[in-house]
Amino acid sequence: QKEVEQNSGPLSVPEGAIASLNCTYSDRGSQSFFWYRQYSGKSPELIMFIYSNGDKEDGRFTAQLNKASQYVSLLIRDSQPSDSATYLCAVLGNTNAGKSTFGDGTTLTVKP
Amino acid sequence: GAVVSQHPSWVICKSGTSVKIECRSLDFQATTMFWYRQFPKQSLMLMATSNEGSKATYEQGVEKDKFLINHASLTLSTLTVTSAHPEDSSFYICSAFVGQGANEKLFFGSGTQLSVL
Repeated sequence: QKEVEQNSGPLSVPEGAIASLNCTYSDRGSQSFFWYRQYSGKSPELIMFIYSNGDKEDGRFTAQLNKASQYVSLLIRDSQPSDSATYLCAVLGNTNAGKSTFGDGTTLTVKP
Repeated sequence: GAVVSQHPSWVICKSGTSVKIECRSLDFQATTMFWYRQFPKQSLMLMATSNEGSKATYEQGVEKDKFLINHASLTLSTLTVTSAHPEDSSFYICSAFVGQGANEKLFFGSGTQLSVL
């Protein structure tokens, strides 16, 4: 079992729809959770960060964390074609001094 | 967010030569930086953890004599690919760790596309 698992996709949604990306992790001691967006040929860009259980909203993005169930999700509302990218989930433990564990990423395509 | 500058963005070199990639934290001090490589359509692969003032910690399977990492200051880490070969062609990305507790974050440089002929 991988430490951080994501559905590889591809996930395809129509423009304006809600895209839902999921991530599960195995280390119960994990403290911080990140979502990165990576366009082809570019480096990852931090788009969401969540530390506490519950929801965190930032514009069209909502991150949801459930530590008891060990999953973190990312919702993208009103999806746009420019949201088409690979989304990486990253998990940071409390002892690794920044050494995050990444999922393999979910490729999202938003169709006009 | 914090800015991490990576240079060069792309480099083409002949087989057998060495290539140095720089990673700088521009507006913060980073005691820890990370180096990754990524092949097309694959996930990030952590190569090593770079700690200021000490030797880098390499992941299993990464040759430390081939991928030399130096973290001489709190704002600069370098990765040198020595005696590069075509199989070393990849996208190399650095990241810097900043903050504590609930403010911990990892920011990435813009990446370096290395092509070895």
